[in-house]
Amino acid sequence: EAGVTQFPSHSVIEKGQTVTLRCDPISGHDNLYWYRRVMGKEIKFLLHFVKESKQDESGMPNNRFLAERTGGTYSTLKVQPAELEDSGVYFCASSQGRTNEKLFFGSGTQLSVL
Amino acid sequence: AQSVTQPDIHITVSEGASLELRCNYSYGATPYLFWYVQSPGQGLQLLLKYFSGDTLVQGIKGFEAEFKRSQSSFNLRKPSVHWSDAAEYFCAVALRGSTLGRLYFGRGTQLTVWP
Repeated sequence: EAGVTQFPSHSVIEKGQTVTLRCDPISGHDNLYWYRRVMGKEIKFLLHFVKESKQDESGMPNNRFLAERTGGTYSTLKVQPAELEDSGVYFCASSQGRTNEKLFFGSGTQLSVL
Repeated sequence: AQSVTQPDIHITVSEGASLELRCNYSYGATPYLFWYVQSPGQGLQLLLKYFSGDTLVQGIKGFEAEFKRSQSSFNLRKPSVHWSDAAEYFCAVALRGSTLGRLYFGRGTQLTVWP
């Protein structure tokens, strides 16, 4: 069974550009989460999808970030325009069911904004 | 302030030695408690979790953790470390009454294992 897949694994862009990160969760997992780790700091929650609906987006930093989950399958996280402080590792995770506590994480996308 | 604290940023142990990674939390009600591990190039993997009951919980890869309410701690232990245990370890909590996948993480402890 395939795990959670994230693409790209690395992205280097200039300030002001747009970047789109993609996450393919494990098939059948209704819950999809985005997390971010800024260098030297803790991993922080960004948002949570249940199928195609945003359940909780309280962790999104500002309106430069837009997350979507098409048809309840894969998800994209777009940063537009990117700022220097957006640099970090973006993790995606998925889980099955409402009360399933086991998250399966992707290996992350390392985003560097220069 | 509510937080998860991992006081050790980096720990180095010799292969075969015992290991204890510390985690303290500061929340009003005891949260659900987790330990995750991230090996190089991999995603985070759940090692073990504590929800209630027996305060000593067993996990995968020979790890265990002990919940101590009086100390607000959930320390991770392993009796004998293997070179393959070199990784970054994260303590995390989920708040009771909240979504279990909405985690609050500590800053992580990087474990180096000497041969």
